[in-house]
Amino acid sequence: QQQVKQSPQSLIVQKGGISIINCAYENTAFDYFPWYQQFPGKGPALLIAIRPDVSEKKEGRFTISFNKSAKQFSLHIMDSQPGDSATYFCAASAMNYGGSQGNLIFGKGTKLSVKP
Amino acid sequence: DGGITQSPKYLFRKEGQNVTLSCEQNLNHDAMYWYRQDPGQGLRLIYYSQIVNDFQKGDIAEGYSVSREKKESFPLTVTSAQKNPTAFYLCASSLGQAPYEQYFGPGTRLTVT
Repeated sequence: QQQVKQSPQSLIVQKGGISIINCAYENTAFDYFPWYQQFPGKGPALLIAIRPDVSEKKEGRFTISFNKSAKQFSLHIMDSQPGDSATYFCAASAMNYGGSQGNLIFGKGTKLSVKP
Repeated sequence: DGGITQSPKYLFRKEGQNVTLSCEQNLNHDAMYWYRQDPGQGLRLIYYSQIVNDFQKGDIAEGYSVSREKKESFPLTVTSAQKNPTAFYLCASSLGQAPYEQYFGPGTRLTVT
């Protein structure tokens, strides 16, 4: 119930295309869903996050779509660029519960390659 | 510059030796975390601390130990009891638990042979 399942494991997209990464969860207590971006040899950095009171959040070329009934959320990268090539992690936490449930549970990551 | 520093970037040890990984932050964050990252496995939580002199086990604490004597420091010791210590170790900090952003350090790649 604590898992966050992320797909695909890897993704190759042409420059200018749309990259879509999906995550699914079981724990209905999860109420905070961030996406992190990690470049090789670096630590992850927060990209965008959403709470379940909205179905979509957009920041520049990055959009999170959230489907509460399906317990799924996804990251869309519009007009993908070679500089977007990185590993993306979705995560979830039950922030209103605190304690150990307030910690982030990460998906296993998606390695995105954007071809020029 | 505010941020998280981890040292060293690469660390090599012989099997059976304990090794301590350093993590320092100057962001004045209360919470600090240690994660282990293996290829295809995502980030798994080893230990976390929400306040000085207190820390809690994460999902994979066996074979690891930590201390939190100062707000800015959260060292991780990988003991000889850890069966598969070779991995990329990431330290993070945040003002508090979610939804506060976790800021990650650059990581330490530990190789044990």
